[in-house]
Amino acid sequence: EVQLVESGGGLVQPGGSLRLTCADSGFTFSSYSMNWVRQAPGKGLEWVSYITSSSSTIYYADSVKGRFTISRDNAKNSLYLQMNSLREEDTAVYYCARSNGQFDHWGQGTLVTVSS
Amino acid sequence: DIVMTQSPDSLAVSLGERATINCKSSQSVLYSSNNKNHLAWYQQKPGQPPKLLIYWASNRESGVPDRFSGSGSGTDFTLTVTSLQAEDVAVYYCQQYYSIPRTFGQGTKLEIK
Repeated sequence: EVQLVESGGGLVQPGGSLRLTCADSGFTFSSYSMNWVRQAPGKGLEWVSYITSSSSTIYYADSVKGRFTISRDNAKNSLYLQMNSLREEDTAVYYCARSNGQFDHWGQGTLVTVSS
Repeated sequence: DIVMTQSPDSLAVSLGERATINCKSSQSVLYSSNNKNHLAWYQQKPGQPPKLLIYWASNRESGVPDRFSGSGSGTDFTLTVTSLQAEDVAVYYCQQYYSIPRTFGQGTKLEIK
C-alpha cells in the first residue's frame, strides 16, 4: 500500500524557517516525480513545487521561488521542503503528492502556522 | 499560467439525483503528442487530503465508484456524479497537469438538498 507521511510542521514566527519531510513507502520512490501542494485554512489547493525522480528538474510556484527548496533522498525514500523567510501567507496544510502526471497519492498533510 | 475556472462554486443535489460540475481552462490542455487531455478531478472530504477520482479527463482511478465520470476535451470539462450518495458530500477540484505551474480550479462544494 502506498503511504506518504508528512512531518515537520509547526508554529514559526515570520521570517523563520522550517523543514518538512515526506516519508514514503509501499512503492518504488526513486521511480516517481513528487510534488508539494498547500492549502490555506478554508481555501483551495495551491501547487508549490515539483521534483523529478532523479532531482534533475525542479520547479516552484512564483509565490515561493527563492524562499523554498525542494529536495529528495531516494536512499531514504524521503522528500523534503526547506522553507525560509516564512510569511504569514505561507500558513497552510502542506501535502506531498506523488506524480504520475496526475497526483495519484497524497499524504495526510502537516500544518504550518506562521504567526508572531 | 493556465487558469482553471469551475462552476458552480456550490451545488445542492437530492440523494439519488445527478450532479454536474464544470471546469474550464484558459487554454487547451490537450497534448498533441499523446492526444490526451491533461486534466484530473479530485474529491476532498473535510479533514482529509484530496483523493484522485479521474485522470486524462475521463479515466476513472482504480476503486472509484462508477457513478463518477469525466468528460470533455480541450478547454471544457465536466465531472458527473450519477445517483448522488450521502458519502459524496465533498469539495471537488479540477487540475491541469499540462504545464507548469500545475493549477487547480477554485473548488465546487457538493451538498445534499
